[in-house]
Order: sequence, then C-alpha cells, then structure tokens
Amino acid sequence: EVQLLESGGGLVQPGGSLRVSCAASGFTFSTYAMNWVRQAPGKGLEWVSGISGSGGSTYYADSVKGRFTISRDNSKNIMYLQMNSLRAEDTAIYYCAKDWNGMDVWGKGTTVTVSS
Amino acid sequence: DVQMTQSPSSLSASVGDRVTISCRASQGISIWLAWYQQKPEKAPKALIYAATSLQSGVPSRFSGTVSGTDFTLTISSLQPEDFATYYCQQYNTYPRTFGPGTRVDMK
Repeated sequence: EVQLLESGGGLVQPGGSLRVSCAASGFTFSTYAMNWVRQAPGKGLEWVSGISGSGGSTYYADSVKGRFTISRDNSKNIMYLQMNSLRAEDTAIYYCAKDWNGMDVWGKGTTVTVSS
Repeated sequence: DVQMTQSPSSLSASVGDRVTISCRASQGISIWLAWYQQKPEKAPKALIYAATSLQSGVPSRFSGTVSGTDFTLTISSLQPEDFATYYCQQYNTYPRTFGPGTRVDMK
C-alpha cells in the first residue's frame, strides 16, 4: 500500500526553525517528484515546495523562498522541509504529496504552530 | 505564475442533485489540471487528473471536462458522502497552484 507519513510538527517561536519529515512506503520513492502543501487554519490549500525524484531540482513558493529548504534522502525514502525564520503566517497543517497525475497520494499532515 | 479561480465559492445542494463546479486558469495549462475533495479534518483526496481522467477507485458520478482554460467538475447525482470542499490545481508548471476551493453543503 502506498503511504506517506509526516512528522516533526510542533510549536515554535517566531523567528525559530523546525524540520518536518515525510516517510514514504509502498512505491519506488526515487522515481517520483514530491511536494509539500500547507493549509492554514480555516483556509485553502497552498503549495509550498517541490523536489524532483533525484533531488536535483527544487521549487518554492514566493512566500517561503529563502526561508525554507526542501530535500530528500532516497536511500531512506524520506523527504524533508527545513523551515527557518518562521512567522505566524506559517502556522498550518503541512502535507506531503506524491507528484503523479497531479498529487495522487497525500499524507495525513503534521501541524506547525508559530507563536510566542 | 498561473492563477486559478473557482466558482462558485460555495453552493447548497440536495442528495441526488447534479452539481457543477468551475475552474479557470489565467493562462494555458493544456490538460494538466487535477481536482481534489477535502472533508473537514482530513487530507485532500485526489479525484481527477489530466482534466478528465478519474483516479483509481473514484466513483463514476464524478467527471471532468475542459474547454481551453476553463475546466469543470461535475457530480452527476450528489451522494451524502460528497458534501465537502473541492479544489482544482494546475500541474503544468511550477509553482503548482490551487484554486481557492468550492464548498458543497447540504441544502
């Protein structure tokens, strides 16, 4: 069964850092690009970042460019999102999603709260 | 960046109704559009890809059409489990972009 499981969310102060992870199983991880998508409380879906299967190409939304870094370890089937200089507006559920025919598989999400 | 708009932002319908949701891209994206369903407190679920193709396991009452930069999601006969929010998303280019969503609730 294809599964994605996010972890690493939590409460962090403004200006702080956090790394969230996405563990993949049930498919050949290195073959597929992957994405991070977030959803602020009561709001819609916002694409945050994407990474190619090899990890050689990365993409970011303007709202996080220069603060967030996406990466992946294909030997461990894990994708990461390193989030620095966090702001209150980064508070959201962070989902990872497999990039195939749109985003065909989603994790359940991990919650990041930025607050003092 | 490609901007995605959706209409209506919300609608009220009854079980058995035919429901249509529209999505428009600000520039050409060919057929590279997906639709998702999201229920409260749940992750999005993929419904349709390439504008008209059903994801595996999605009921046939869901369908998609495309005309230029205009896309439509239709639910032919609304079922109780279909009350949810629906999002379109383009994957022709990065950044990927989502529409603002259409909430379907019970009349």
